[in-house]
Amino acid sequence: GQNIDQPTEMTATEGAIVQINCTYQTSGFNGLFWYQQHAGEAPTFLSYNVLDGLEEKGRFSSFLSRSKGYSYLLLKELQMKDSASYLCAVTDSNYQLIWGAGTKLIIKP
Amino acid sequence: GAVVSQHPSWVICKSGTSVKIECRSLDFQATTMFWYRQFPKQSLMLMATSNEGSKATYEQGVEKDKFLINHASLTLSTLTVTSAHPEDSSFYICSARATGGGDTGELFFGEGSRLTVL
Repeated sequence: GQNIDQPTEMTATEGAIVQINCTYQTSGFNGLFWYQQHAGEAPTFLSYNVLDGLEEKGRFSSFLSRSKGYSYLLLKELQMKDSASYLCAVTDSNYQLIWGAGTKLIIKP
Repeated sequence: GAVVSQHPSWVICKSGTSVKIECRSLDFQATTMFWYRQFPKQSLMLMATSNEGSKATYEQGVEKDKFLINHASLTLSTLTVTSAHPEDSSFYICSARATGGGDTGELFFGEGSRLTVL
């Protein structure tokens, strides 16, 4: 079956760095997305990886290793507003999105 | 980026009534739209895939006669929750994938509609 795993919850300190991991097992692979979702709101797009390596976008970076079925989202210089759920999603061979359960990130002062 | 508008944002209705939620792509055409449901503290659950001009494809366990989906144009899909009950109370989110070349599969999400059935 298709499966995406990511930690349920993580806690980090304001100003610090946090890495949220995601492992996946899917029928084919056509890209991996990271979305941010604040409570009560719809998800917003953060990043897209289809090739191995690191994609950097401001304070956020996303890494992909297709051979390992692994990705991580790296958040630097954490701000209180970064408290949210972070969803990992993989597009399979049919371009269907398979969603992880999300990682709730709690930022403490 | 592309914009998807969802309406209404909040709706409260009595048990047994029907509620319609609209999802519009404002600046692009969307051959395919997706409807999700999200319960508190849970991830998105795909309910159905809405294809313009054809019948929607429902995920296992989703009642197609209860959740009516219409995708009559390339910019509008509607979800109607018929004979709503309190257990249907949830956060409903639509998303759309732009048509055309270079499709990375990225989805653009509506703002979501919070349904409360009394």
